[in-house]
Amino acid sequence: TAGITQAPTSQILAAGRSMTLRCTQDMRHNAMYWYRQDLGLGLRLIHYSNTAGTTGKGEVPDGYSVSRANTDDFPLTLASAVPSQTSVYFCASSPQRGMTYNEQFFGPGTRLTVL
Amino acid sequence: SQKIEQNSEALNIQEGKTATLTCNYTNYSPAYLQWYRQDPGRGPVFLLLIRENEKEKRKERLKVTFDTTLKQSLFHITASQPADSATYLCALEDSSYKLIFGSGTRLLVRP
Repeated sequence: TAGITQAPTSQILAAGRSMTLRCTQDMRHNAMYWYRQDLGLGLRLIHYSNTAGTTGKGEVPDGYSVSRANTDDFPLTLASAVPSQTSVYFCASSPQRGMTYNEQFFGPGTRLTVL
Repeated sequence: SQKIEQNSEALNIQEGKTATLTCNYTNYSPAYLQWYRQDPGRGPVFLLLIRENEKEKRKERLKVTFDTTLKQSLFHITASQPADSATYLCALEDSSYKLIFGSGTRLLVRP
């Protein structure tokens, strides 16, 4: 079982350009999440989706958008990248959100550098 | 304000000793707390979950305690091995069901 896959593994992007980070899970999990991880700040939630067709804002949503057209895919789009969006991005999923067993499964991450 | 604090300094211990990592939180009342392991260049991996009514949870060489009065969780690795070297993250669910992560503590186990 692949679990969660993310693409690309890494990317260098010019400021002002747009980009979509891809995330796919094969566990049929209802909930999916996007985090960014910066040195000293830990993982911060960008957006989440409780189930296909719904999305919500996390702690740091500005400059990012998401969609959840189906259960498996949860792409993250940067409409106009800025250098402060340089980070490592992790996609995660969990069977449900808000349940007592809300263990999250993480993808391998995408390292994004915005110049 | 709400905060989760983990020691930002790396913990450096000798193989075979017990490693103890601390997670303190303020202004949260979590129903449970989780611990994850993260290796360099990889995503976090879930280790243990402990509920507020559980004082202690064990899994092989791992032990987690949860003191809701002190607002603290301790994560222990007994008989530590160099392969245990990694960053360990604590996480708790806030009142809106979002998982909030600490910044992690790096553990280095010397052979």
